[in-house]
Amino acid sequence: GDSVTQMEGPVTLSEEAFLTINCTYTATGYPSLFWYVQYPGEGLQLLLKATKADDKGSNKGFEATYRKETTSFHLEKGSVQVSDSAVYFCALRDSGAGSYQLTFGKGTKLSVIP
Amino acid sequence: DARVTQTPRHKVTEMGQEVTMRCQPILGHNTVFWYRQTMMQGLELLAYFRNRAPLDDSGMPKDRFSAEMPDATLATLKIQPSEPRDSAVYFCASGLVATSWAEQFFGPGTRLTVL
Repeated sequence: GDSVTQMEGPVTLSEEAFLTINCTYTATGYPSLFWYVQYPGEGLQLLLKATKADDKGSNKGFEATYRKETTSFHLEKGSVQVSDSAVYFCALRDSGAGSYQLTFGKGTKLSVIP
Repeated sequence: DARVTQTPRHKVTEMGQEVTMRCQPILGHNTVFWYRQTMMQGLELLAYFRNRAPLDDSGMPKDRFSAEMPDATLATLKIQPSEPRDSAVYFCASGLVATSWAEQFFGPGTRLTVL
């Protein structure tokens, strides 16, 4: 079946540091890939997505590139802010007619300190 | 600003009691998902509906959990009887299946504690 593996947290960084959160996947079809963010006390929000190989999703300074050869979708940001403190989830949606289920990784908690 | 709403936001109950969680999807969305989030298991899909019909509830313990959509503006998740291992945050998400992919919009969740 499908699965998503992301790096264990928590990750603690100083403000303006570079962020990488690793994500790898296994899928039976040709999946679309997503990063969701969950701020404290809230539901998940879509951060960015990529639907085919070599696509780069980007939003709010975050980026992730769909690498089919390494089955990866690592999240990066050049300079994190305190407001980026949240839990980040990598997810995939497999291909196939009518497939709208998302498979999520376990989440990586990021804390950014001033 | 359209949002998914969930009630109650917090629920504390005793083992054996019935719990009902409610979700109002974004108006016009035709797909609703129920997820459970725990520290140990992360996010698990319990069930999902399309046009109010259940498409997949394989993630849900059938003996005690039930999910319904009595109308397009209300989805419910019921646990009867509740057990301490059901303690978790339950999220509802909705989406509009009209294109090749559909973003899921999450509600704020119901934090359930079963004593």
